[in-house]
Amino acid sequence: QQPVQSPQAVILREGEDAVINCSSSKALYSVHWYRQKHGEAPVFLMILLKGGEQKGHEKISASFNEKKQQSSLYLTASQLSYSGTYFCGTGFSSNTGKLIFGQGTTLQVKP
Amino acid sequence: EAQVTQNPRYLITVTGKKLTVTCSQNMNHEYMSWYRQDPGLGLRQIYYSMNVEVTDKGDVPEGYKVSRKEKRNFPLILESPSPNQTSLYFCASSLVNGRNHGYTFGSGTRLTVV
Repeated sequence: QQPVQSPQAVILREGEDAVINCSSSKALYSVHWYRQKHGEAPVFLMILLKGGEQKGHEKISASFNEKKQQSSLYLTASQLSYSGTYFCGTGFSSNTGKLIFGQGTTLQVKP
Repeated sequence: EAQVTQNPRYLITVTGKKLTVTCSQNMNHEYMSWYRQDPGLGLRQIYYSMNVEVTDKGDVPEGYKVSRKEKRNFPLILESPSPNQTSLYFCASSLVNGRNHGYTFGSGTRLTVV
């Protein structure tokens, strides 16, 4: 049931763009995105809900394809501060708080 | 400041010695959850609670207990810790059962069982 993230790791130069994908084998109700810096707690970035509702970070965008059970996180004009590990979390029902996280994608932005 | 507070941050213990990791939030969130993080496995849910006195198992509940007697507190109890419970633990909370809001995570507790 764990969603699959791709790629596992990516290295960028400042200013370049990146896309991180999250794919589920089950129908999704919601997708969360979090960023975790080394030694710190995950920080909420964005949530996407079935039906199109989105809430999240101003400088980061994401998409949610309900039919394909996939979500993508778009990081444009990357900055050094974007470095970290990105996790997607998938929810399968509006009646439970259960959230299953992917294994993570490590992003490194170099000057 | 709105936050989730976990204690302790670091803990080294011996096999079989009961321990409790505390978690408290000051945001009046209904939903709280515990996760463990291991290299290459991401965050795995241990238990969650949708409100006071309502708890349910996550994906890896074996060897753990929780209780939710008050809205703000959600302690994680290891009755008889074993070395395979060595991990980084995170507590998280959210409004409205996590359906429409993101989670706020605590700073983490790094547990080593020897």
